[in-house]
Amino acid sequence: NAGVTQTPKFQVLKTGQSMTLQCAQDMNHNSMYWYRQDPGMGLRLIYYSASEGTTDKGEVPNGYNVSRLNKREFSLRLESAAPSQTSVYFCAGGSSSTDTQYFGPGTRLTVL
Amino acid sequence: AQSVTQPDIHITVSEGASLELRCNYSYGATPYLFWYVQSPGQGLQLLLKYFSGDTLVQGIKGFEAEFKRSQSSFNLRKPSVHWSDAAEYFCAVGSVQGAQKLVFGQGTRLTINP
Repeated sequence: NAGVTQTPKFQVLKTGQSMTLQCAQDMNHNSMYWYRQDPGMGLRLIYYSASEGTTDKGEVPNGYNVSRLNKREFSLRLESAAPSQTSVYFCAGGSSSTDTQYFGPGTRLTVL
Repeated sequence: AQSVTQPDIHITVSEGASLELRCNYSYGATPYLFWYVQSPGQGLQLLLKYFSGDTLVQGIKGFEAEFKRSQSSFNLRKPSVHWSDAAEYFCAVGSVQGAQKLVFGQGTRLTINP
């Protein structure tokens, strides 16, 4: 039982490149989330998926897209990376029985 | 819109001393409140949560928090800190049951002096 896993752990991109951050959970959570963490700003919600087949925007969705591939997987895509997207990205799974989110270890992304 | 304020960016305490981390929230209804801890280079771990009922909640690692509706606060406390408590602590408020859209505070970095 690995909980929430994220790949890759680190990534460096050049401005304009694209990439997909992967997230998977084996906790049978219905909801999944993507956050970004920037110094002095806490975590901010990018997108979330309340259930398989649905996605919704969070606080800072611009420049990102998501796919809820199945119940286990929720990916975050940067189509054209910008330096402002340099951040640490966290995926979380949400338990509807405990109303609690469980976080992955994070992906540190640098855009040059 | 809901918001969370953690007034203290950085706190330093001596090992064995007591700790209180402040959290103030803004939310129209009864909030769902959480405290998470993040060790360097790690993800976030849930310390405790409050949904309803007893306003003093106990969490893991000897932490507790008290919900005070009149002060819109949910402060985190520990009677005696250990060096391993050095980390960043985040308070968060959630809106609805099920698909929680959490709003986080800015975080408080805790340093422990030996």
